Amino acid sequence: GIQVEQSPPDLILQEGANSTLRCNFSDSVNNLQWFHQNPWGQLINLFYIPSGTKQNGRLSATTVATERYSLLYISSSQTTDSGVYFCAVDRGKSTFGDGTTLTVKP
Amino acid sequence: EAGVAQSPRYKIIEKRQSVAFWCNPISGHATLYWYQQILGQGPKLLIQFQNNGVVDDSQLPKDRFSAERLKGVDSTLKIQPAKLEDSAVYLCASSLERAYRGPGNTIYFGEGSWLTVV
Repeated sequence: GIQVEQSPPDLILQEGANSTLRCNFSDSVNNLQWFHQNPWGQLINLFYIPSGTKQNGRLSATTVATERYSLLYISSSQTTDSGVYFCAVDRGKSTFGDGTTLTVKP
Repeated sequence: EAGVAQSPRYKIIEKRQSVAFWCNPISGHATLYWYQQILGQGPKLLIQFQNNGVVDDSQLPKDRFSAERLKGVDSTLKIQPAKLEDSAVYLCASSLERAYRGPGNTIYFGEGSWLTVV
């Protein structure tokens, strides 16, 4: 099946810093989503982005489907951005990466 | 619009007992997913329904896990008998239409059912 690798596995930032999270996938995909899992375990959809670039406030994402990767950018990070960020792809079935755990310190 | 509803939120059982989880997807969503998330890992797809038909159940341990989606709406996931390694969060999700490639196919998750097997 398709492999999804996320990097880095852990990231610690000071409030106000910027960060880039990466998702590599091993084959072409139909769909790609980024999620944020908050400390209570709730998965919140951030972007549906099988290709191209999208922005939502301080967050933006870019997927280069031909090169099989996606990037999630977080600018001016806040403590509420802490949590685990997951990339999920769909090629016949839904597959998640193991996530990037982000800790934003005040 | 109501989100994906799951129950129970928390369950503690002894090994070899049985447990059932219930999910009500977002109204009108044809695709329903059950995932298992073990602490420190990403969600793993157990079963995916399109209406009341199974699209994929390749990672469902069929000797102990079963799932059904009656009338293409609500779904139940059952574990019998439970093992210690089944301790995890069971996440239900839904999307409008799996075959539709567009933002309408965004996956929405419920809050999860936390299972502890002792």
